[in-house]
Amino acid sequence: DTGVSQNPRHKITKRGQNVTFRCDPISEHNRLYWYRQTLGQGPEFLTYFQNEAQLEKSRLLSDRFSAERPKGSFSTLEIQRTEQGDSAMYLCASSGDGANEQFFGPGTRLTVL
Amino acid sequence: SQQGEEDPQALSIQEGENATMNCSYKTSINNLQWYRQNSGRGLVHLILIRSNEREKHSGRLRVTLDTSKKSSSLLITASRAADTASYFCASMEYGNKLVFGAGTILRVKS
Repeated sequence: DTGVSQNPRHKITKRGQNVTFRCDPISEHNRLYWYRQTLGQGPEFLTYFQNEAQLEKSRLLSDRFSAERPKGSFSTLEIQRTEQGDSAMYLCASSGDGANEQFFGPGTRLTVL
Repeated sequence: SQQGEEDPQALSIQEGENATMNCSYKTSINNLQWYRQNSGRGLVHLILIRSNEREKHSGRLRVTLDTSKKSSSLLITASRAADTASYFCASMEYGNKLVFGAGTILRVKS
């Protein structure tokens, strides 16, 4: 068990470009979450998967954001037409069925120039 | 914002002293959790207290929950330099998402 992994760890992009982040959860966990964290704030919930089904999406997740978990294992978060306001740390977490504790990955830090 | 509030925003203490952080949340909850975040290890779960519990202990950590006031506190006893980090409370509503507070930055001076 190597924990939750995220790639890339850092991404610098120009405004208007598309970016995609990947999250690999702990292997036996069927729940996967995406959060966004800006400097000086706590993480904010973006979306949640149970296996491959996306069960909840935050109003923060505009139509430029899309998340997938095609086989119920890894997940991707894509941001289209990035804006400077998208600059943040994007965190992925996973948890097991019936468990409340979430295990977080190291995050992907996005900088939009 | 959906986030709860934490106070103090920052706390600086000497090694060996106790640190207390407070958190308020906004909705009915299933449980409340505390997480620690530092640059080296990311967000790490510390302790969970269920809505029907009032106090819980884990090692040097003591958490209280007052659902009538929608508030919680985290006490770290006999602090160590390694406790230096940001601490976040996170409420879990009757679903699966966590709603985090803005955090308390704790600095323990050796």
